[in-house]
Amino acid sequence: KNEVEQSPQNLTAQEGEFITINCSYSVGISALHWLQQHPGGGIVSLFMLSSGKKKHGRLIATINIQEKHSSLHITASHPRDSAVYICAALIQGAQKLVFGQGTRLTINP
Amino acid sequence: GAGVSQSPRYKVAKRGQDVALRCDPISGHVSLFWYQQALGQGPEFLTYFQNEAQLDKSGLPSDRFFAERPEGSVSTLKIQRTQQEDSAVYLCASSLVWTGMPGELFFGEGSRLTVL
Repeated sequence: KNEVEQSPQNLTAQEGEFITINCSYSVGISALHWLQQHPGGGIVSLFMLSSGKKKHGRLIATINIQEKHSSLHITASHPRDSAVYICAALIQGAQKLVFGQGTRLTINP
Repeated sequence: GAGVSQSPRYKVAKRGQDVALRCDPISGHVSLFWYQQALGQGPEFLTYFQNEAQLDKSGLPSDRFFAERPEGSVSTLKIQRTQQEDSAVYLCASSLVWTGMPGELFFGEGSRLTVL
């Protein structure tokens, strides 16, 4: 079993829909990152959070430390949101990131 | 530039060749990470530097992989006697903060290595 698991692996939705991507982890962490990767492109950090909730534009990230679970939400989704979204856990006491497998999101117009 | 710069962006090597991949982090960033991303997979940790010190190399898959950051800025990932299974995108990331303190990560565009 992977230390960081994401679901779903693939998600296709229509423009305007509310999107949720889930991330569960089994290790102690000091922080959790949500990252975005476009095809052929580099990785962009969206959020780093260790508790509660963060919001940036149409993106919202939440984390529940007790349940070892985080979610990334996209409101009013747009085709330009199409990308792979990756959660990555920063292992407690180390600088080692453990990545989920990623969720490939496709938003159709 | 202002971001993390990696070179070359693309490298094709014949099996058995040695390759060197360069990462130029954001100026002043203390922490530097190398990750390996196979096609269709999430990145996997290779190694971590704090300034010039390599504090964790537990992810390096074999002794053919070697990384250095001699002056605490630019880093080089060297792969000796490349094998086909080394084909992947090699990602570099840097962060301002010290060990034990989580900080925002900035990623380079990656170096895509194809071993024939």
